[in-house]
Amino acid sequence: SAVISQKPSRDICQRGTSLTIQCQVDSQVTMMFWYRQQPGQSLTLIATANQGSEATYESGFVIDKFPISRPNLTFSTLTVSNMSPEDSSIYLCSVSGTGGSGQYFGPGTRLLVL
Amino acid sequence: DAKTTQPPSMDCAEGRAANLPCNHSTISGNEYVYWYRQIHSQGPQYIIHGLKNNETNEMASLIITEDRKSSTLILPHATLRDTAVYYCIVYSGGGADGLTFGKGTHLIIQP
Repeated sequence: SAVISQKPSRDICQRGTSLTIQCQVDSQVTMMFWYRQQPGQSLTLIATANQGSEATYESGFVIDKFPISRPNLTFSTLTVSNMSPEDSSIYLCSVSGTGGSGQYFGPGTRLLVL
Repeated sequence: DAKTTQPPSMDCAEGRAANLPCNHSTISGNEYVYWYRQIHSQGPQYIIHGLKNNETNEMASLIITEDRKSSTLILPHATLRDTAVYYCIVYSGGGADGLTFGKGTHLIIQP
């Protein structure tokens, strides 16, 4: 299984500012994903982080609001731009396991926007 | 939208078997059934998956009906640490696609 770390683990931000969340994996992985979990809700896929090309965004999520970088096979960042209180959520990254073993998730980043 | 239906919550006594049902009546032939759980304040954790045969690992057993329209996750001897939200997901992405989470079942293990 992959070991995934995220930074920061939590943050409190002012509206109108931006926050970049880092995701680090202990091994090279092909597929990395970013999810959002709003308070009391389930997880929603934001985008697939593609190495060497632009991320693939799900309906309702756009690059200007959630720019993503994937410079190599072990690292990705998600930026939450021009934040509003509605962006207060847990943001999680995940990677695909091998042999159909599902996805492994990071511990999440808890974001509170005031 | 999620292709699965689960009860919103369930209780189970500590030490007993917890049986969590999931309906996936529109599952396609190439879709697997995956189970994850999310303990409070943590990222989801993979539990088990199957296509059509029953599966067992060190965490749980997965029973899939013959018509594949429903399944049951079994935690054989539930402990307080098994209190979590359990998600049943149908998936055929082979690792290339993200997951679509439903609302899951909040399982509460009672002492």
